[in-house]
Amino acid sequence: KAGVTQTPRYLIKTRGQQVTLSCSPISGHRSVSWYQQTPGQGLQFLFEYFSETQRNKGNFPGRFSGRQFSNSRSEMNVSTLELGDSALYLCASSLASQETQYFGPGTRLLVL
Amino acid sequence: GQQLNQSPQSMFIQEGEDVSMNCTSSSIFNTWLWYKQDPGEGPVLLIALYKAGELTSNGRLTAQFGITRKDSFLNISASIPSDVGIYFCAGQLGGAQKLVFGQGTRLTINP
Repeated sequence: KAGVTQTPRYLIKTRGQQVTLSCSPISGHRSVSWYQQTPGQGLQFLFEYFSETQRNKGNFPGRFSGRQFSNSRSEMNVSTLELGDSALYLCASSLASQETQYFGPGTRLLVL
Repeated sequence: GQQLNQSPQSMFIQEGEDVSMNCTSSSIFNTWLWYKQDPGEGPVLLIALYKAGELTSNGRLTAQFGITRKDSFLNISASIPSDVGIYFCAGQLGGAQKLVFGQGTRLTINP
């Protein structure tokens, strides 16, 4: 069974731009969660989607948003990028909410 | 943001040695997880613990869920070069999907 896939793997943007990251969960998994990883803050929870609905949200500004499609694939969007948004963005999928989460390889975003 | 207190932050050991790391929290968690992350990759699940007092092994790895539900440890026996990486503990509250992560333990092995 294929693991969690994320595209693109690397991305360079400039301040003020917006970016969309994509995540395909493990087949059969319906919950997708997003995390931001930075050297300073570590791994921080962004939000979770289950059955196309946002179930939980972390402490991030409204510039960070996401959505989930009927096939459980998920996208996250960051608008008006700031230098501090440079990070590894990780997607994790699980069978259902509160089940064990399996991570993808991440998308490394660099904001210049 | 909220984080678990994971220690040690780094370890430098000789191949073949045993390794021990732990996580503590001021909050109770219903699930404890241990992940390993290699450079440029996402965390890979090593062991999941679901009950207070539970002791679980996965090959040379052993982890325990503390009886107070506020701590967990991971042991690696007879370390080998491929054990190099960053190990993270994560706690999960009941009724929530959010994982709270420790700061990580960076393991370096001298052959």
